[in-house]
Amino acid sequence: GDSVTQMEGPVTLSEEAFLTINCTYTATGYPSLFWYVQYPGEGLQLLLKATKADDKGSNKGFEATYRKETTSFHLEKGSVQVSDSAVYFCALRKGAQKLVFGQGTRLTINP
Amino acid sequence: DVKVTQSSRYLVKRTGEKVFLECVQDMDHENMFWYRQDPGLGLRLIYFSYDVKMKEKGDIPEGYSVSREKKERFSLILESASTNQTSMYLCASIPGNNQPQHFGDGTRLSIL
Repeated sequence: GDSVTQMEGPVTLSEEAFLTINCTYTATGYPSLFWYVQYPGEGLQLLLKATKADDKGSNKGFEATYRKETTSFHLEKGSVQVSDSAVYFCALRKGAQKLVFGQGTRLTINP
Repeated sequence: DVKVTQSSRYLVKRTGEKVFLECVQDMDHENMFWYRQDPGLGLRLIYFSYDVKMKEKGDIPEGYSVSREKKERFSLILESASTNQTSMYLCASIPGNNQPQHFGDGTRLSIL
């Protein structure tokens, strides 16, 4: 079946560091890909999405490019802030409405 | 803004109790979802509904049921709560296909 694999956390970085959170997927066909973020004590919020190969999603300084050849959708940010501390989830959706999530990556940014 | 409201942020119940988790959305969305979130496992889909009185099993429906009597409300029911159902429960809704899901803030449920 379809699945999403994220890099193991937790990830701890200093402010202004470069961030990469790896995400790879397994699916037949052409899924849509998403990154969701969960801040402490809150539900999930959509961070960015891409619906077809080579699309780049971006929001709040975060970017991810849909790479069909490597079945990847890695999340990047050039300079992280303390306020980026959260849990990040990669997810895919194919056709039907339900999402398949990765296990989540906890990110902590130290000042 | 879309608002998905879960009735409780924290809930403590006892083994064997019948537990109701309520979710309401205010944007007339057709599709609603219940997930549970556990460390290291991400979010797993329990049930979803694409219309009033319609429901579909997700990946882990055992021990749960749902009710969708009105479009705006989607209830998750633990028929006889067990300790392995201690978890964070998240409700979500979308207006239709190819739209992002909107999530509630979650209910952290502890079964003692």
